[in-house]
Amino acid sequence: QQQVRQSPQSLTVWEGETAILNCSYEDSTFNYFPWYQQFPGEGPALLISISSVSDKKEDGRFTIFFNKREKKLSLHITDSQPGDSATYFCAATPTGGNNKLTFGQGTVLSVIP
Amino acid sequence: EAAVTQSPRNKVAVTGGKVTLSCNQTNNHNNMYWYRQDTGHGLRLIHYSYGAGSTEKGDIPDGYKASRPSQENFSLILELATPSQTSVYFCASGDGGAGQLYFGEGSKLTVL
Repeated sequence: QQQVRQSPQSLTVWEGETAILNCSYEDSTFNYFPWYQQFPGEGPALLISISSVSDKKEDGRFTIFFNKREKKLSLHITDSQPGDSATYFCAATPTGGNNKLTFGQGTVLSVIP
Repeated sequence: EAAVTQSPRNKVAVTGGKVTLSCNQTNNHNNMYWYRQDTGHGLRLIHYSYGAGSTEKGDIPDGYKASRPSQENFSLILELATPSQTSVYFCASGDGGAGQLYFGEGSKLTVL
């Protein structure tokens, strides 16, 4: 039973376009939703994070939109660059969860120059 | 800068053999974690620790043991390795509760 689901599994966009990565979850106790970026041969690294008290979090070209009622999030990458090509993981953890993260399956993003 | 280092980076083991994956962190974090990464499953939590001497079962602990002898070191032990444990294993550390973990570069394990 996958508690955090991501779609699509893979996504290809042209340089300059906006990439939209989707995430949904089931557990109502989840309150923090970090997104991790992973390049081949490396470990995941925190990209941007949102808590359930917010509906939007922006950091440069990266924006998280959060809909608590529908238990859905999306990561928007505007003006996509070839260097953004990576695997993106949506994760979730409850308050007081000691950072025990539940990860989605990941979305592989390819940005074509 | 936060640093988590894993060893070995690559390991080939035989079925039934014992494998130990080691992790060292210089972040002075209390919490450490072992995840495995498989295509289609993302990262799944195997064991974690809240501090030296403590280990807790994660979501998929069967076939694995963990050891936290000190604040800095956290090991994952496969007493009897099986081909289904072929995977990439990641160690991470992180306190604070908001989901920020620092990951190592991974250990690729192949069990033949």
